[in-house]
Amino acid sequence: AQKVTQAQTEISVVEKEDVTLDCVYETRDTTYYLFWYKQPPSGELVFLIRRNSFDEQNEISGRYSWNFQKSTSSFNFTITASQVVDSAVYFCALRGSYNTDKLIFGTGTRLQVFP
Amino acid sequence: GAVVSQHPSRVICKSGTSVKIECRSLDFQATTMFWYRQFPKQSLMLMATSNEGSKATYEQGVEKDKFLINHASLTLSTLTVTSAHPEDSSFYICSARVPGTSTDTQYFGPGTRLTVL
Repeated sequence: AQKVTQAQTEISVVEKEDVTLDCVYETRDTTYYLFWYKQPPSGELVFLIRRNSFDEQNEISGRYSWNFQKSTSSFNFTITASQVVDSAVYFCALRGSYNTDKLIFGTGTRLQVFP
Repeated sequence: GAVVSQHPSRVICKSGTSVKIECRSLDFQATTMFWYRQFPKQSLMLMATSNEGSKATYEQGVEKDKFLINHASLTLSTLTVTSAHPEDSSFYICSARVPGTSTDTQYFGPGTRLTVL
């Protein structure tokens, strides 16, 4: 079975703080893909990143960084120097083998950044 | 690139009526589109996979006669909620996979909020 767990339901921080959103996944597939999406209050899901299971190199994009650890089945997302515009619900998602298009979403983490 | 639109963004209807939601890929052709449902403060649940020119594949527990999906062209998929009831009220989101890439990344539309009175 495939599963994505985002244990943090809601996180509140003050602007300029760093914040890490946790994502733990379960899959028996040897090849899989992990994603992070942002859902602002408007509702639209914004694609942030995709990571292959065979590429454990961490990635940084501006204030965003991702830490992929296969040993702990985690794909955590860190926002550095958070801003009010970062307030949104963030979803981690997993896509398994090549034979399925299905994205398995976590339950999401609601991030509130206060000025 | 990879822009997906949905129409309408918001719809209110009476119980028993049918509602059609459109999902369009604006700058690419999508052989595969996906329909998700999201209840308030919950995650997205895949309802069905829409394939151009063939029947949609529904997830377990999703009534195909209630949620009619048509993918008649490479840029348009429609979801029709037939004989809608208040429990069908939800946020419906479509996505499309960008073809010709190995990323299998799905790009999402802005969603349609359906309220059934």
